[in-house]
Order: sequence, then structure tokens, then C-alpha cells
Amino acid sequence: DQQVKQNSPSLSVQEGRISILNCDYTNSMFDYFLWYKKYPAEGPTFLISISSIKDKNEDGRFTVFLNKSAKHLSLHIVPSQPGDSAVYFCAASASGAGSYQLTFGKGTKLSVIP
Amino acid sequence: DGGITQSPKYLFRKEGQNVTLSCEQNLNHDAMYWYRQDPGQGLRLIYYSQIVNDFQKGDIAEGYSVSREKKESFPLTVTSAQKNPTAFYLCATYRAPYNEQFFGPGTRLTVL
Repeated sequence: DQQVKQNSPSLSVQEGRISILNCDYTNSMFDYFLWYKKYPAEGPTFLISISSIKDKNEDGRFTVFLNKSAKHLSLHIVPSQPGDSAVYFCAASASGAGSYQLTFGKGTKLSVIP
Repeated sequence: DGGITQSPKYLFRKEGQNVTLSCEQNLNHDAMYWYRQDPGQGLRLIYYSQIVNDFQKGDIAEGYSVSREKKESFPLTVTSAQKNPTAFYLCATYRAPYNEQFFGPGTRLTVL
């Protein structure tokens, strides 16, 4: 049973336009959410995160939005650049779990077309 | 340089052989994790360890074993009982109060 879902396996966007990657979760105990970026044959790198006490967090071209009532978050990349082409993983954690663990979605492969 | 080292980058083994994947960190992080990534499957947790000499099974521990004798090291053994061992294996670390896990570069294991 998937607790973190990324329903779009892939997304293609023109360079300069906005990329929107979506993520849904089912576990109400999740209170911290992260986005990781991964290139082929490399480890994921942390991109941006958001706590459940916020509904938006911004870092340069990257913004994450959280809608707790809908159990939905999204990552916006504006403007998209060819170097953004990678697989993006959404992850979630629950602070009361006793140990720090992340639950990952299956990822969305973003292709930014020059 | 602080970081996480996984070696080798590519590993080939014959079916039926056990193989041990190395993960070393000099970040002084307490917790360490092993994930495997398969195409279209995301990252799935195999084992994790919060402190030395203690470790817990993750979601897909069958066919794997680990040890945590030193804070810096968390080797993963892929045994012959693992039915489908060919995958990309990732090691990660964590230390409070940071809220993210840090990942190593990964090892691609191919069982022939």
C-alpha cells in the first residue's frame, strides 16, 4: 500500500516554462515533506522541504506547496532549465515515529526540452 | 572532505554468490540506511541502523543482512536467498536536528 504517490511517471516541459510535479500522501502522521532530485547512476540530492505547519516554501526557482486537507503537495520549478532534467522523488516523514525514516514516492522523470 | 562513500560503483556477481556492498561515512551521523532502487519503483528501505550495534528491518529485508560494528560503516550483504538482487543500491545517513537524509553515490549490482 503506497503511502506516498507520484502519479505521473514522466513530464516534459519546454525550457523557460513552469514545471509542476505533484505528490499525494495517505498517512495523516506525515508532518514533514521533502523533494529529492536524482540523476541516473547517482545518489539523490536534497532539493527543498516543507513542514506541515507551513503551506509554502520557496528557494530560488523552486517552490513547494502543501495542501494538508487534500494531502497533496507540489513542486514548482520556474523557469525550467535543461539541467533540471532528472527524476524527482517526493518523500515524507512522521516526527512521532520514534526513528527517522523517509517514505518515498516512485518518482517523476522530468525532461526539459531546449 | 565529509561525505558518504559507496564502493565499488559497479559490481558483478554470479547467481548463488553472496556479495557485500560497502558504505562508509565521515559525517559523524548516527543513523544509516540502505535502499534499493528499481526502475519505476522508487526507493525502498532494506535496513536501517540508528546506533552502533543496533539495526532494524525495513520494508524489503528478506535476502539481505547488515552489521553496524562502527559508527562510520554499515555494510550490506546480498545473500543468495535474495530472489532478484540486480538493482541500484543506495546508502544514506541522518543526524538530528537536520530533516533530510544524505545519500551516497550508489552501487549498481548485476547478478549474472
